[in-house]
Amino acid sequence: AQTVTQSQPEMSVQEAETVTLSCTYDTSESDYYLFWYKQPPSRQMILVIRQEAYKQQNATENRFSVNFQKAAKSFSLKISDSQLGDAAMYFCAYRWAAPVYNQGGKLIFGQGTELSVKP
Amino acid sequence: ETGVTQTPRHLVMGMTNKKSLKCEQHLGHNAMYWYKQSAKKPLELMFVYSLEERVENNSVPSRFSPECPNSSHLFLHLHTLQPEDSALYLCASSQDGSGSSTDTQYFGPGTRLTVL
Repeated sequence: AQTVTQSQPEMSVQEAETVTLSCTYDTSESDYYLFWYKQPPSRQMILVIRQEAYKQQNATENRFSVNFQKAAKSFSLKISDSQLGDAAMYFCAYRWAAPVYNQGGKLIFGQGTELSVKP
Repeated sequence: ETGVTQTPRHLVMGMTNKKSLKCEQHLGHNAMYWYKQSAKKPLELMFVYSLEERVENNSVPSRFSPECPNSSHLFLHLHTLQPEDSALYLCASSQDGSGSSTDTQYFGPGTRLTVL
């Protein structure tokens, strides 16, 4: 079965510095999608970045980038120039790629990493 | 704002009560989801609807009953819940639930449920 593991329950970063959150996953599939979601204290789950497994190029969204290592099954999130508003719980998630019957839309989440940002 | 709203935001109920959670999406999506988020545990998928038909039920107890009257609305009917059902219930929607490259899930703000 597919699993997602986030080994860092808590992380801390100084404002304006860079931090990397780790995520590993286990799958026998060759095609899938990976996501990072952010959940601030408001509890709204917000999509930060996504990566298609068939793409070698690492995804980037402004200050957020990933280091996708398919062979190692590793998918880390790097936050550059950290801001106070980045403080939140971050979840890594895995999803099958279509057309796997009855599993296409299902997300498998990790346990989350709580990121605090120090001013 | 992600285009997915949930009401109520907070709910306290006794074990003998019957209540319903509501989710509405304004994104033109055709798939909707219910997740349960308990403290210190990963999000758990409960139900998936695609084009108003249930396509997945992750062995959820029958005291949770979903309803999807149209592609914009999703309900979770609750009855005779247990204290361990206290959690944050999140709704999400996506384009069609197919898992294709454009089928990204967008979440609502959640309903914080407390069962006494």
